Amino acid sequence: AQRVTQPEKLLSVFKGAPVELKCNYSYSGSPELFWYVQYSRQRLQLLLRHISRESIKGFTADLNKGETSFHLKKPFAQEEDSAMYYCALTNSNSGYSTLTFGKGTMLLVSP
Amino acid sequence: GAGVSQSPSNKVTEKGKDVELRCDPISGHTALYWYRQSLGQGLEFLIYFQGNSAPDKSGLPSDRFSAERTGGSVSTLTIQRTQQEDSAVYLCASSPDWADTQYFGPGTRLTVL
Repeated sequence: AQRVTQPEKLLSVFKGAPVELKCNYSYSGSPELFWYVQYSRQRLQLLLRHISRESIKGFTADLNKGETSFHLKKPFAQEEDSAMYYCALTNSNSGYSTLTFGKGTMLLVSP
Repeated sequence: GAGVSQSPSNKVTEKGKDVELRCDPISGHTALYWYRQSLGQGLEFLIYFQGNSAPDKSGLPSDRFSAERTGGSVSTLTIQRTQQEDSAVYLCASSPDWADTQYFGPGTRLTVL
């Protein structure tokens, strides 16, 4: 069965510090990995997906199939990055896709 | 353009009552998903619609839960004989097609007393 693990419930850093939100997955196949973000009082929204290989708001994530990881990184955290971050994977082999989410990591960036 | 909308935004009900939650997807999106966000369980998939049919109902937690979609647009999630463990935020998402990015609604917060 597919599974996404985010080991940290809370990550607290100071503004300007580097950030790494960890995500590990288990899946027998070739998954597609995503990071979703939920800012306070806002809806869940896509931050980035691994196939796009792009940087959004300074965040990047690299899929490491050997370590089955998809960690989210940002070199210099900003206060506005404070939010709940969810790693997710989708199984598209069955002709449709549903998201399996990790339990999320709350990022708090202090001034 | 308008995003995914859900109603009501909050629902408080008594144990044993039935509730209906509504989702209006983005116009033209053929794929529609329901998820549940609860403390301790995180985000869980409930059901997926492609058009009006539901090829995947595997996430529905019990037979008290059902969902339908009409006209390839609006969907309703019905919970019969609600229990306290049904308390959660119910999220709806839609995408242009099954392999595309899913766009989420604001959710309905259900509280069962």
